[in-house]
Amino acid sequence: NAGVTQTPKFRILKIGQSMTLQCTQDMNHNYMYWYRQDPGMGLKLIYYSVGAGITDKGEVPNGYNVSRSTTEDFPLRLELAAPSQTSVYFCASSFGGAGHEQYFGPGTRLTVT
Amino acid sequence: DAKTTQPPSMDCAEGRAANLPCNHSTISGNEYVYWYRQIHSQGPQYIIHGLKNNETNEMASLIITEDRKSSTLILPHATLRDTAVYYCIVPPQGGSEKLVFGKGTKLTVNP
Repeated sequence: NAGVTQTPKFRILKIGQSMTLQCTQDMNHNYMYWYRQDPGMGLKLIYYSVGAGITDKGEVPNGYNVSRSTTEDFPLRLELAAPSQTSVYFCASSFGGAGHEQYFGPGTRLTVT
Repeated sequence: DAKTTQPPSMDCAEGRAANLPCNHSTISGNEYVYWYRQIHSQGPQYIIHGLKNNETNEMASLIITEDRKSSTLILPHATLRDTAVYYCIVPPQGGSEKLVFGKGTKLTVNP
């Protein structure tokens, strides 16, 4: 199993541009998550999904959108990128909710200038 | 939400046990305690979790006090590769297990 994969690894965006961060898992997990981590800080939840077709907001959803059309994929869309979105983005998945661990991808480092 | 309190940093000698404490005094009866770690800029890695009983796996042991208000993660024989930030997390009840990461404890294992 590849686990959780994320693309791209690095990206530089200009202010106002848009992009999609890709996340795929091959463990048949129902739950998927997007987090962001600013320098020296812990991770903050952006959006999560408990199954295909079901998504919900986390702690910091503004400026982002998600979709979950398949079990495997959970893309994160940035519209009108802003410098405040400069961060490292981590995708994670888990088999279930309470009592199940989350598996994290390697992250995407995004810089908005 | 149950909040957690951890020391910002700890040191440990290579080969010795590392004991990382965590306070979660507002934890509810059905809330789990999870431990994750993050090595440098990699994605967080799950270590262990527990509800009421002590737990052990190939990576670590988790000791939860009887009143569940605190816990200790034990790395029995720390190596240099265990240098990382360790997060103690108590997700809110509700099934989605939305992890809330604080600043964690930066563990430095010294040769």
